[in-house]
Formats: sequence, structure tokens, C-alpha cells
Amino acid sequence: NAGVTQTPKFQVLKTGQSMTLQCAQDMNHNSMYWYRQDPGMGLRLIYYSASEGTTDKGEVPNGYNVSRLNKREFSLRLESAAPSQTSVYFCASSAVGQRTEAFFGQGTRLTVV
Amino acid sequence: QQQVKQSPQSLIVQKGGISIINCAYENTAFDYFPWYQQFPGKGPALLIAIRPDVSEKKEGRFTISFNKSAKQFSLHIMDSQPGDSATYFCAASSGNQFYFGTGTSLTVIP
Repeated sequence: NAGVTQTPKFQVLKTGQSMTLQCAQDMNHNSMYWYRQDPGMGLRLIYYSASEGTTDKGEVPNGYNVSRLNKREFSLRLESAAPSQTSVYFCASSAVGQRTEAFFGQGTRLTVV
Repeated sequence: QQQVKQSPQSLIVQKGGISIINCAYENTAFDYFPWYQQFPGKGPALLIAIRPDVSEKKEGRFTISFNKSAKQFSLHIMDSQPGDSATYFCAASSGNQFYFGTGTSLTVIP
């Protein structure tokens, strides 16, 4: 049981390049999330998907797009990477309902130069 | 605007001591308050959680104290061990929305 799997684990991009971060979960969770983690800022929500076919903006959505491909997969796309997007990105998932735990992937460390 | 405020940013404790991390929130709609532990290079993982109708929850050396009227909650780590050295995040959730504090880097000195 892998839980939440993110790829890639590390990536270096040049300013203006695009890339897609992949996330898949095998826990049959309805809700999925993308967070970014920066020193002193904690975990900030970029986008989330409450269920298959729906996506909503979080606190810091600018410069990102997402796709909920199916119930298992939720991808995050950077169309034109900027140095301010250098961060560690975490995908998470949770079951439907209140008082449920969020399960996190191992993270993707992205550097934009 | 930070939905959940966490302090301190960093904490150094001697082995065997008590580590205390504090959090505060404003939104009374929050109904679940989990704490996550994160080791370097790993994703956060649930450590312990509490509902607002309970004032305290204990699991082993970890205790959450919850003060609903003050809208504050704290994590106490008793008999802190070097293996507890990690970053700790408090969080508050309502429905499927999770809001995290800024994190506390805990170092336990042998």
C-alpha cells in the first residue's frame, strides 16, 4: 500500500519553463490537495479537489493549474516557472467527511533558476 | 491572513525535558485540530488530533491541551527524546479544508 506517491522527487527548471508534478493515491480518497512549503511560511494550500471532477483555488493559486484526472490522480502544472515558485511541493489526500486525516506524499523539491 | 498561528518557530530542549508548542485560531467553524510531525526529506504525518468538545487528549508521551473559549491549543511532549527532533505543524480543519500553522522546528539535545 503506497499511500500518496509524487513524482518527480527533485526538479530544476529554468525561468519560463513549464512542468507538471504528478500525484497519485491508492486509498480511494475523494479529496486531494496541493500544498507548497516554504521556510517560515508553513504549508500553504495551492489548489484542492473535493471530489473527482471538481477543483478549487486555495490560498496561493497564482501561476499554477491543476487537473483531477480521475479519482486517483491530481496533477499540478507550472506553465511558466518563476524563481518565486522555488519550494517543496506536497500532495495530500483525505477521505470524505469531517475530522478526517490528510495523508501526505514525500514531496517534490523544485528549484527555479 | 494566517488562519492558525503557531509559536515558537524553533525550540531546543534537553533530553528528558518537556517540549511545548502553542497554536491559536479565530474561526469557530473549525472542528478538528490535528498535529503533524515532519522529519527532514519526508512529508508531514499525523501525530495526534483532538476534537473541540474534549479539553485534553493523551497518546503516550504526546498530549494535546485544548481551550475552546480562548481558541488555543497546545502540544506537550513529555520526556522529550532526540528521536523527537522534527518539525511540528498544528492544523485546524472544517469539512475537508485543512489550515496549517507555520511550523516549529524542535531539536532535542542528548
